[in-house]
Amino acid sequence: DVKVTQSSRYLVKRTGEKVFLECVQDMDHENMFWYRQDPGLGLRLIYFSYDVKMKEKGDIPEGYSVSREKKERFSLILESASTNQTSMYLCASSFLLNEKLFFGSGTQLSVL
Amino acid sequence: KQEVTQIPAALSVPEGENLVLNCSFTDSAIYNLQWFRQDPGKGLTSLLLIQSSQREQTSGRLNASLDKSSGRSTLYIAASQPGDSATYLCAVLGISNTGKLIFGQGTTLQVKP
Repeated sequence: DVKVTQSSRYLVKRTGEKVFLECVQDMDHENMFWYRQDPGLGLRLIYFSYDVKMKEKGDIPEGYSVSREKKERFSLILESASTNQTSMYLCASSFLLNEKLFFGSGTQLSVL
Repeated sequence: KQEVTQIPAALSVPEGENLVLNCSFTDSAIYNLQWFRQDPGKGLTSLLLIQSSQREQTSGRLNASLDKSSGRSTLYIAASQPGDSATYLCAVLGISNTGKLIFGQGTTLQVKP
């Protein structure tokens, strides 16, 4: 079974802090994604990557950056956390873009 | 711009009922449609994926159909159980949105014992 592991289940940070969310997949998937999920707004794509060192902006990239130095790891960076970035963050991966998407368990981030 | 709608937003049924969840999308130019399940506070689990050339997919008590021309998909759950209680989301991969799945808001299902 594919495993997508997010480093933290819950995270509490202060406004202005730099925050790193880590995601690792163990199935040699080409594509990796970061979503955020908010009540009433659903899932929104922040960034995705289809290869090492490649990245594409999603629908809401502002205030975020990403890093993919190795194929199995995709990091989401909040350069200066703000309260409106309090959310559930979900990482996902797939082998090909038109194949099943596998999600991690999510990181509930609270920015105070 | 692709939009995905799921109605109803919430559904409550007694155990044992067969039920149908609906998903509609505005642009029929899609590669595929996926149905996901999400338990509270957890990530999503892919249940079924239907490619644009397919009409349906089945897994156990679940059957998903796709009518691309009308922009509709249904997820049929047979003989529902309390363990089926969760939020069910559909998502489409559009031909014009490379790599970007567009999600519906989900239907929250409660199956009462």
